[in-house]
Amino acid sequence: EFVLTQSPATLSLSPGETATLSCRASRSVTRYVAWYQQKPGQAPRLLIYDASNRATGIPARFSGSGSGTDFTLTISSLEPEDFAVYYCQQRSNWPFTFGGGTKVEIK
Amino acid sequence: EVQLVESGGGLIQPGGSLRLSCAASGFTVSNNYMGWVRQAPGKGLEWVSIIYSGGNTYYADSVKGRFTISRDNSKNTLYLQMNSLRDEDTAFYYCSRGGPTGGEAGYWGQGTLVTVSS
Repeated sequence: EFVLTQSPATLSLSPGETATLSCRASRSVTRYVAWYQQKPGQAPRLLIYDASNRATGIPARFSGSGSGTDFTLTISSLEPEDFAVYYCQQRSNWPFTFGGGTKVEIK
Repeated sequence: EVQLVESGGGLIQPGGSLRLSCAASGFTVSNNYMGWVRQAPGKGLEWVSIIYSGGNTYYADSVKGRFTISRDNSKNTLYLQMNSLRDEDTAFYYCSRGGPTGGEAGYWGQGTLVTVSS
């Protein structure tokens, strides 16, 4: 099973700042990583697929990068609605697996 | 508009069975990757099962042999039959439709809570 490790567990930032979230895979997943946002009481929402492709309707301030084992989600100029939990997920091999999540909270 | 509506969750005793349903609209279930993702209260996400458009199915090791994913094309509905339920199966269960490549969850239902407890 591919293990995904996200860091940091919590990121405390102010609106307008840039958030940089990391996801590291236990083995190469080429570029098969997706990122999701989840707010309390809601289902997750797909943000990024295949490392760097924004899903439909996702604002340009969300960007993804990386390949192999190291991936990054960057949120430029945080908006109030961006404070949430973010998960990465690999689809390189079944079972598809998620990282443990990074909570982006208001400082 | 793509919509996924789950039903069938509830309180069940350990060892019992439940069947979750996911009624889809705005697209054809049989033409898409469909899956179930669960989330224990206050915890992270776990992919439970997936069914490909061709009919191939896959399961997490934690549910293999106990859960069965299926679909009814005439009802455009996805199912998850859950048998021999355990305390650790307690979670919100989300129905999902594949995204642009199929291997990610592009669309989600609102979730249904399954509580396994005596």
